Amino acid sequence: NAGVTQTPKFQVLKTGQSMTLQCAQDMNHNSMYWYRQDPGMGLRLIYYSASEGTTDKGEVPNGYNVSRLNKREFSLRLESAAPSQTSVYFCATATGIGNTIYFGEGSWLTVV
Amino acid sequence: DQQVKQNSPSLSVQEGRISILNCDYTNSMFDYFLWYKKYPAEGPTFLISISSIKDKNEDGRFTVFLNKSAKHLSLHIVPSQPGDSAVYFCAASRPVGGGNKLTFGTGTQLKVEL
Repeated sequence: NAGVTQTPKFQVLKTGQSMTLQCAQDMNHNSMYWYRQDPGMGLRLIYYSASEGTTDKGEVPNGYNVSRLNKREFSLRLESAAPSQTSVYFCATATGIGNTIYFGEGSWLTVV
Repeated sequence: DQQVKQNSPSLSVQEGRISILNCDYTNSMFDYFLWYKKYPAEGPTFLISISSIKDKNEDGRFTVFLNKSAKHLSLHIVPSQPGDSAVYFCAASRPVGGGNKLTFGTGTQLKVEL
């Protein structure tokens, strides 16, 4: 029972490089989310997809793009990484009913 | 604009005593509130939730209280155990576009001491 799977778990990028964080869920949930966690800032929503075929900006979308590839997968892309994007990234899913969100284990990204 | 606030970044409690974690919110559109627990190097895990139509929800050692008029909720842990040491995030949810949007507070680091 994998739940929410994120890859990669760790990544070091140089400023200006691009990369995609992958997220897949086997919980048949409608909604998917990308959050970042920074010290003293809590969990901030980057983008979310309320249901398959839709995506919307969250609190801190600048510098990111997302793709809801299908019901299972929701990817986060950094087109030109900046040191300010050094963070821990969490993918999450929810049924859309009951509101409980289930998180992946996180992806640690460092931009140098 | 921080819509969900946890004003205490840390809390230290003795084992066996009560831990009280507080959370305030500003958006009256929130209709569901949740608490998450996070250990280092792991994703947050769901702990307990409460609907805006209730004022209390209890699950074992964990109780969440909601005061809508004050836009305040709290998490009580009784008795506190060393394994409860973690960061606790308060979250508030509102419906949007067929799903839900969760807004998190900044977290409170709870340390339960022996």
